[in-house]
Amino acid sequence: DVKVTQSSRYLVKRTGEKVFLECVQDMDHENMFWYRQDPGLGLRLIYFSYDVKMKEKGDIPEGYSVSREKKERFSLILESASTNQTSMYLCASSPPRQGSYGYTFGSGTRLTVV
Amino acid sequence: AQSVAQPEDQVNVAEGNPLTVKCTYSVSGNPYLFWYVQYPNRGLQFLLKYITGDNLVKGSYGFEAEFNKSQTSFHLKKPSALVSDSALYFCAVILGRGKLIFGQGTELSVKP
Repeated sequence: DVKVTQSSRYLVKRTGEKVFLECVQDMDHENMFWYRQDPGLGLRLIYFSYDVKMKEKGDIPEGYSVSREKKERFSLILESASTNQTSMYLCASSPPRQGSYGYTFGSGTRLTVV
Repeated sequence: AQSVAQPEDQVNVAEGNPLTVKCTYSVSGNPYLFWYVQYPNRGLQFLLKYITGDNLVKGSYGFEAEFNKSQTSFHLKKPSALVSDSALYFCAVILGRGKLIFGQGTELSVKP
């Protein structure tokens, strides 16, 4: 069964810590995405990547960075965590062809910054 | 700006009644539209998509959606709701290069 795996289901971090959220997909997908989900705001795109070592900013990139050194892995980095980054983070992957329904989502990481 | 909107935060339906979850979009060109469902503490699951062709699209779990170009809408429907349909529903549209953007989400509550 193909899947997107997020390494942590729940995380609690302190303000100012550097936080890594990891995402791995086993479908050989070119595209990978990081979203955050907040009540009433839906899912907002943070960063996405079309290929190894390539990245593009989404709608809310401030305070975040990403790394894609291998095709199957896409990491989201909070350089200095703040309380307003407490949220649910969802990773997704898809093949490159536009119109494909092949967006597969991970189960999410619920991050709490205290 | 290109966007997708879900005007209702919550929809309440009695079991056995038909349900509609609304979605409108604002994109240039021909839209590629999707519906996803999220059950508590789970990731998003694909329900259905509209790319081209028949305006009535059928998807998983008995759901269907109607694409209306003149009204720029893509409402999700089901003829007879089940309690197990209670979940959070998201409408989404693909922008250039496969970037998927979402509406705010609508919480569907189906009561026995």
